[in-house]
Amino acid sequence: DVQMTQSPSSLSASVGDRVTISCRASQSVRSFLNWYQQKPGKAPKLLIYAASSLQSGVPSRFSGSGSGTDFTLTISSLQPEDFATYYCQQSFSIPRYTFGPGTKVDIK
Amino acid sequence: EVQLVESGGGLVQPGGSLRLSCTASGLTFRTYDMNWVRQPPGRGLEWVSYISTSGSTTDYADSVKGRFTISRDNGKNSLYLDMNSLRAEDSAVYFCATAASYFYDMNGYPTFDNWGQGTLVTVSS
Repeated sequence: DVQMTQSPSSLSASVGDRVTISCRASQSVRSFLNWYQQKPGKAPKLLIYAASSLQSGVPSRFSGSGSGTDFTLTISSLQPEDFATYYCQQSFSIPRYTFGPGTKVDIK
Repeated sequence: EVQLVESGGGLVQPGGSLRLSCTASGLTFRTYDMNWVRQPPGRGLEWVSYISTSGSTTDYADSVKGRFTISRDNGKNSLYLDMNSLRAEDSAVYFCATAASYFYDMNGYPTFDNWGQGTLVTVSS
C-alpha cells in the first residue's frame, strides 16, 4: 500500500500569514493527490484534487502543487475560518485511498 | 442538496457486532462508488472499505479485513457496513463518502466529494 506522510504535524500561525503544508507519498502517485480540510466535529471537505485543481467554491488563497511523491498545500493569507486540520489523500492506488496523518493549523 | 446520513453507531462490547447504515439523497446513488472512512477520537482519517456502483467489487483495509463487510442496496439508496469481532481499536466516528472522478487535463481523478456527518462507534466493556 502507498503510505502518506505530512509535515509538520501541527503549526501555529497568525491571520494573514502564508502557510505551507507538505505531503509525501511512499511511491509515485503522479498527480493523484487530494487535499481535505476538517474542522472539529465536522466531516472533511474537499479543497484540491489532481494535486493542484481547486474544488468549486474553495477560496483562491488555497493552492496545491507537486507531482510524483512530493506535494504542497499553500494558504496564501490565512483567514480565521482556515484554522482546521488538513489531510492529503492519494487516489492513485485505488480503491485503497490512503490518507496522510494530518496537519493541524491553530492560532498563534 | 446531497445528503448522506449515517446511523447505527453506539456502544458495543469487545467481540460484538454492529451494522452501520448510510442513506443517500439528492444524488443518483447507483452511479457512485462508495466508501467508509473512520476517525478514532482525536486522531486522523483512515480509509476502511470500498464498494463499486454495482456492489461487485469490494476492498478493505488490512485492519478490518475478514471482520467487516460492506454492501449496498441501490433500490434503497443505502450503504451498509457490517462489523463483527469488534475491538477497542475499532472505536471511531465512521463516515460514509461518495467517490467521484473529477476530470482535469483529460484525466479522471478520484475524490471523496460528499461525506456524511458520521456515526460514533464505541467498543468497550
